[in-house]
Amino acid sequence: ELKVEQNPLFLSMQEGKNYTIYCNYSTTSDRLYWYRQDPGKSLESLFVLLSNGAVKQEGRLMASLDTKARLSTLHITAAVHDLSATYFCAFLPGTASKLTFGTGTRLQVTL
Amino acid sequence: DTGVSQDPRHKITKRGQNVTFRCDPISEHNRLYWYRQTLGQGPEFLTYFQNEAQLEKSRLLSDRFSAERPKGSFSTLEIQRTEQGDSAMYLCASSLTGTSDEQYFGPGTRLTVT
Repeated sequence: ELKVEQNPLFLSMQEGKNYTIYCNYSTTSDRLYWYRQDPGKSLESLFVLLSNGAVKQEGRLMASLDTKARLSTLHITAAVHDLSATYFCAFLPGTASKLTFGTGTRLQVTL
Repeated sequence: DTGVSQDPRHKITKRGQNVTFRCDPISEHNRLYWYRQTLGQGPEFLTYFQNEAQLEKSRLLSDRFSAERPKGSFSTLEIQRTEQGDSAMYLCASSLTGTSDEQYFGPGTRLTVT
């Protein structure tokens, strides 16, 4: 069964703090995606990770992929309130075309 | 705006009625996907098309659901005899093969069945 586990499911953090969201997936894949979703809105693509050891950074967010451990991380540096949203990771196993999503991590950044 | 568009954005219907949603993908994208998302969950795959061919359907897609992409451009998703359990956000995405397989999502259609 294709599964993605994210943790934590909910994260409340103060502005200025750092934290990491973890995404474990169930089968071999070298295609991993991170999306952001604001309440009531659709998904916005954040990062596309396509190889073992891939690391991408945009602003205060950095994503990495370890295909051997089947693990991706999303690191938040010096969080700001605007980062409050739900973050999903999703992967494409093998030659599949359908994304399998995690349950999401709801991030709340407090002042 | 050249992103994925969906219509309508919101639909309220009574149980037992039929509803149809439309998705217009990014113009050069050959793949089109439908997902369903319920509150507090990640999106779940329903079906996808490559050009006009429907290549995969999830077992979540009961006989009451049908999707088409007649000319390989826009797609429609029809739900017949709606049930309260069909209430969800229906998301459409598109992608171009031969690239990163990145899927771009539309704004979604929120369906409420009363």
